Amino acid sequence: DQQVKQNSPSLSVQEGRISILNCDYTNSMFDYFLWYKKYPAEGPTFLISISSIKDKNEDGRFTVFLNKSAKHLSLHIVPSQPGDSAVYFCAASARGGSNYKLTFGKGTLLTVNP
Amino acid sequence: GAGVSQSPSNKVTEKGKDVELRCDPISGHTALYWYRQSLGQGLEFLIYFQGNSAPDKSGLPSDRFSAERTGGSVSTLTIQRTQQEDSAVYLCASSFASGGKKETQYFGPGTRLLVL
Repeated sequence: DQQVKQNSPSLSVQEGRISILNCDYTNSMFDYFLWYKKYPAEGPTFLISISSIKDKNEDGRFTVFLNKSAKHLSLHIVPSQPGDSAVYFCAASARGGSNYKLTFGKGTLLTVNP
Repeated sequence: GAGVSQSPSNKVTEKGKDVELRCDPISGHTALYWYRQSLGQGLEFLIYFQGNSAPDKSGLPSDRFSAERTGGSVSTLTIQRTQQEDSAVYLCASSFASGGKKETQYFGPGTRLLVL
């Protein structure tokens, strides 16, 4: 039972264009969402997060949008750069005493072509 | 400063053998987590340590899995009588202070375990 779903295993975009990575969730107890980026042979690194009280959070070229009614979030990267090529994981945590537990999607491999 | 380190980086073992995986968290981080990523899957929570509190072991898949954290720092994940389905990348993370959801979890590079 996947509670966090990233339905696109891969995405390819041209340098300078926008990359949009999507994530859907099913657990209505999730109230905090994160995106992690992972290069080969390295651990995931935190990129950006959003609390359920917001619908948008922006950090430089990265913006995360949250649509609670649709249980959907997306990560926008503008403009995309070749160095952004990596696997992107969407993750969520639930309200309550175990809020330290992150539930991850399977990841989307982003390739940015020069 | 130094990040989370894990050893070994790769481990090949035979079915039925025991393995120990080590994690050195970032100095000063009181919360430590173990996750596992099987092929084609997302990261799966295994266990959480916070200070001197009892660990949350709710993610351990079977009683063949155990973990300890000595002196509030280094952690060892032990898998007894390994099975082929245990093959995965085992990732350790640590975070500062309370370990609550807004505390960023910093991940190590992982140990890639292959059980033949």
